[in-house]
Amino acid sequence: EVQLVESGGGVVWPGGSLRLSCEVSGFGFDDYAMTWVRQAPGKGLEWVAGINWNAGSKYYADSVKGRFTISRDNALYLQMNSLRAEDTAFYYCARGPAIRSSLWYFDYWGRGTLVTVSS
Amino acid sequence: EIVLTQSPGTLSLSLGERATLSCRASQSVSSGYLAWYQQKPGQAPRLLIYGASSRATGIPDRFSGSGSGTDFTLTISRLEPEDFAVYYCQQFGSSPWTFGQGTKVEIK
Repeated sequence: EVQLVESGGGVVWPGGSLRLSCEVSGFGFDDYAMTWVRQAPGKGLEWVAGINWNAGSKYYADSVKGRFTISRDNALYLQMNSLRAEDTAFYYCARGPAIRSSLWYFDYWGRGTLVTVSS
Repeated sequence: EIVLTQSPGTLSLSLGERATLSCRASQSVSSGYLAWYQQKPGQAPRLLIYGASSRATGIPDRFSGSGSGTDFTLTISRLEPEDFAVYYCQQFGSSPWTFGQGTKVEIK
């Protein structure tokens, strides 16, 4: 069974930093691209960042470029710096395309971790 | 960036009725690279459709997708109780990948 479990969320001051993790099981992690998608409470989905299977390519939404860094080794990570109130959201990790595919739809999702940026 | 506009914002229907959800793109989505997701309260999104019309694994055949270019449709042929949820479209034809703002399907 494919499982993705996010962790690392919490409350942080504006300007602060947080690192999210996503542990996966049930599939070959090294065979798939991965992504982060966020959802502010009561709002819609916003794609945040993506990384291909070997970390050779990374992609970011303009809203987080220069502040967030996506990475992977045996898990998926999102380093979030210079956090703002508008970054408050549930952050979901999701599985992207397999090796040799460039079709960035997301077929498995974690349950999310809540990041709250507030003073 | 491709902007996706979903309509209507809310769809009020009864069990057994047909639901038709629209997703319009601000520019053509290459090769029909559009997906649909379902999200229920307190849950993660679930992939329903990819490539505009291909059903994801385990998705009932009452869900169907169609469209190309800038206009796409998700149809639920006969609403079941578990289908009342929010539905999002997402384009993956060009980065940044973007989502529509969602359509809520509620019980009338």
